[in-house]
Amino acid sequence: SYVLTQPPSVSVAPGQTARITCGGDNIESKSVHWYQQKPGQAPVLVVYDNSDRPSGIPERFSGSNSGNTATLTVSRVEAGDEADYYCQVWDSSNDHYVFGIGTKVSVL
Amino acid sequence: EVQLEESGGGLIQPGESLRLSCAASGLSVSSNYMNWVRQAPGKGLEWVSVIYGGNSPYYSDSVKGRFTVSRDRSKNTLYLQMKNLRAEDTAVYYCARVRSVAGWNYYMDVWGKGTTVTVS
Repeated sequence: SYVLTQPPSVSVAPGQTARITCGGDNIESKSVHWYQQKPGQAPVLVVYDNSDRPSGIPERFSGSNSGNTATLTVSRVEAGDEADYYCQVWDSSNDHYVFGIGTKVSVL
Repeated sequence: EVQLEESGGGLIQPGESLRLSCAASGLSVSSNYMNWVRQAPGKGLEWVSVIYGGNSPYYSDSVKGRFTVSRDRSKNTLYLQMKNLRAEDTAVYYCARVRSVAGWNYYMDVWGKGTTVTVS
């Protein structure tokens, strides 16, 4: 089955840029989606299809996907961006949905 | 406004059964692909089950044979019937609407707030 690898944590100062990686075998051949989850809340879709943003998601959230790594970039980080971020792909080989383990973003 | 609301969670003993519900407003559960995703305490997201058009379901290996997903068009509600529950099934269970990129490459754009299942 397909495996996604994320760093457990990322720390960033306010106003700086956070980059959260999601590794997978030839992940560039897949469409990667990203969710933000704050404590006690349901996940929220922040990026889909590698780099598209749902309506209502700030332009500060962007995504890319190349080679074996997809990246969610959060620019001009704010205190309110502190959350867990999960990447997800659909595994066509078995029709399963795969999540990374999640990355906790801490704003210093 | 599109909303999903889960219910039916609770404290249950190992080996027992429980049925979760996901009531939808602003969308039709029968016309959409729908997922169940769970999150054990302090852990990450884990996909559980999907139901596509024509009611074809798929399940994760950890629940296959024990969980059954279904939906009721008249009540606009999605269900997850869980049997032979284990301690490791303890989690918050979310329902979510599934969308696709170019007819495949699925993701979830609307989530409920979740319902908590504790098996102990």
